[in-house]
Amino acid sequence: GNSVTQMEGPVTLSEEAFLTINCTYTATGYPSLFWYVQYPGEGLQLLLKATKADDKGSNKGFEATYRKETTSFHLEKGSVQVSDSAVYFCALSTDSWGKLQFGAGTQVVVTP
Amino acid sequence: DSGVTQTPKHLITATGQRVTLRCSPRSGDLSVYWYQQSLDQGLQFLIQYYNGEERAKGNILERFSAQQFPDLHSELNLSSLELGDSALYFCASSVAPQAATNEKLFFGSGTQLSVL
Repeated sequence: GNSVTQMEGPVTLSEEAFLTINCTYTATGYPSLFWYVQYPGEGLQLLLKATKADDKGSNKGFEATYRKETTSFHLEKGSVQVSDSAVYFCALSTDSWGKLQFGAGTQVVVTP
Repeated sequence: DSGVTQTPKHLITATGQRVTLRCSPRSGDLSVYWYQQSLDQGLQFLIQYYNGEERAKGNILERFSAQQFPDLHSELNLSSLELGDSALYFCASSVAPQAATNEKLFFGSGTQLSVL
């Protein structure tokens, strides 16, 4: 079956540090890949997505590239802010109806 | 604000009881998804409805059921509750059907269920 594995948190960083959250997946077919972010007390929000190999998703300074050869979709941001503190979920879908398979989530804490 | 409304925000109940969680999708969205987020299982897809019909089923227990009404709101019914059912239950909506590739899911803030 499909699965998503992402690095365990919490990841604690200082403001302006570089952030990487690793995500690898196992899927049949050609999945679409997503990063969702969950701020404290809120629901999940789509951060970025990529629908085919070598696509790069980007939003709010975050980037992730769909790497089929390594089955990875690592999230990166060059300079984090305190406001980036949240839980980040990597997810995939092989279903055009939108059913998502999520990773366990990685908590990111950015300190001033 | 995602436009998806879930009520109640918090629910505390006892084992063996039955509860109903409600979700109003964004205006114009025809598809509703239910997800369960728990500490041990993470975020899991439960069930999806599109325009009143069940479209996909995930790891939903037989004690749980859902429906989508003609006005497109959805209810998730949880019965014979157990301690392990304590979790945050999210509803999401989308225009669908190509939600994953061409659209995106909009999540509500969730209902926190505590079974004591």
